[in-house]
Amino acid sequence: DAKTTQPNSMESNEEEPVHLPCNHSTISGTDYIHWYRQLPSQGPEYVIHGLTSNVNNRMASLAIAEDRKSSTLILHRATLRDAAVYYCILESYNAGGTSYGKLTFGQGTILTVHP
Amino acid sequence: GAVVSQHPSWVICKSGTSVKIECRSLDFQATTMFWYRQFPKQSLMLMATSNEGSKATYEQGVEKDKFLINHASLTLSTLTVTSAHPEDSSFYICSASWVMDQPQHFGDGTRLSIL
Repeated sequence: DAKTTQPNSMESNEEEPVHLPCNHSTISGTDYIHWYRQLPSQGPEYVIHGLTSNVNNRMASLAIAEDRKSSTLILHRATLRDAAVYYCILESYNAGGTSYGKLTFGQGTILTVHP
Repeated sequence: GAVVSQHPSWVICKSGTSVKIECRSLDFQATTMFWYRQFPKQSLMLMATSNEGSKATYEQGVEKDKFLINHASLTLSTLTVTSAHPEDSSFYICSASWVMDQPQHFGDGTRLSIL
């Protein structure tokens, strides 16, 4: 499985934007970039995913580098509820566009949000 | 949004006991469910992939006779930890997907403590 590298921790102030980086230099052409987050004592929660183009949803934005070797999760205005471990994961698909389904979680980035 | 329910949320039992954990998809049919284990301060580790009506696929190093997985319907998968010992104490999390290339939805986890 292609590996991702994230900073161990980041800090932000409430209501400020947060940019969480992820490096995935060995990404293959059929790998999707997924972001999940996990609050304490809970299961992970899906945040966003993309392949090549930047993506936006109600939770966040995903900026993908042109060479796809890195990506950035953007939280536009951090709240205290955004404090969590954020995981950047590559999900492999076959040539037919079907996912193998397996998610390999790294250590993630612990995001601390200060009031 | 899609909901995955996991039960029980926590369980404490004596060494040697077998413990069953249920994972239900409440508003969609899950052809595939995944079981993860998470030790304190560590990331999630995939244990097995469960497909409805067929045998589960276990990750390397996971004992299939120790961790019995049953996926008898499209909405229910169960994980039974047989003859549990203190080293089996962990946070067990399931996830489900109704289509392989859609994001996975995670349960809130089961905290298992073996005395």
